[in-house]
Amino acid sequence: QSVLTQPPSASGTPGQRVTISCSGSSSNIGSNYVYWYQQLPGTAPKLLIYRNNQRPSGVPDRFSGSKSGTSASLAISGLRSEDEADYYCAAWDDSLSGHWVFGGGTKLTVL
Amino acid sequence: QVQLQESGPGLVKPSQTLSLTCTVSGGSISSGSYYWSWIRQPAGKGLEWIGRIYTSGSTNYNPSLKSRVTISVDTSKNQFSLKLSSVTAADTAVYYCASEPVTLNWFDPWGQGTLVTVSS
Repeated sequence: QSVLTQPPSASGTPGQRVTISCSGSSSNIGSNYVYWYQQLPGTAPKLLIYRNNQRPSGVPDRFSGSKSGTSASLAISGLRSEDEADYYCAAWDDSLSGHWVFGGGTKLTVL
Repeated sequence: QVQLQESGPGLVKPSQTLSLTCTVSGGSISSGSYYWSWIRQPAGKGLEWIGRIYTSGSTNYNPSLKSRVTISVDTSKNQFSLKLSSVTAADTAVYYCASEPVTLNWFDPWGQGTLVTVSS
């Protein structure tokens, strides 16, 4: 049972826009930044979005992040076959001396 | 550019202690610029943060694992290590080490990951 809640799956066709949600609480998303990671099969996760809505260099602007209250979202526009991957949200949680928490992950399928 | 590489036994017996090391290259582990984390992922499941250490030796642990986890740093070898005691099959996972810049707090880069299986 992950502290942050994500839908287990999402799907879309090439060119579509897909959003993935991430729900938390006041001790994590509500008071700290949200980060998103993309994990391709058999590889380590890769940073996709940091500080709610910032893209590291090299990440296409098709990927965008947002946060409102205790929830966050990742949007992928102009969906491409290579976007098929697992996506994880993460946030620092201020409770119990502080610790990182992850969402359970969302498997994105490009139909 | 910092690079990380995990190493350690791929098979651990139940009730024993899992020990892994992460070697940092391309930068000094004692620079003070990073936290050094361990994260794991059971097969087909999500990511679970285990804990982190700062150069000073200060640590933060996942509350659900805290009683069994010790993370330490060896600045002379540019390495940090994970010890997880009293392991069970539920601890079978790919274990990643990752760096977390103090000012940005993202996990990047990650090591390639190492599979640890708990079985007799």
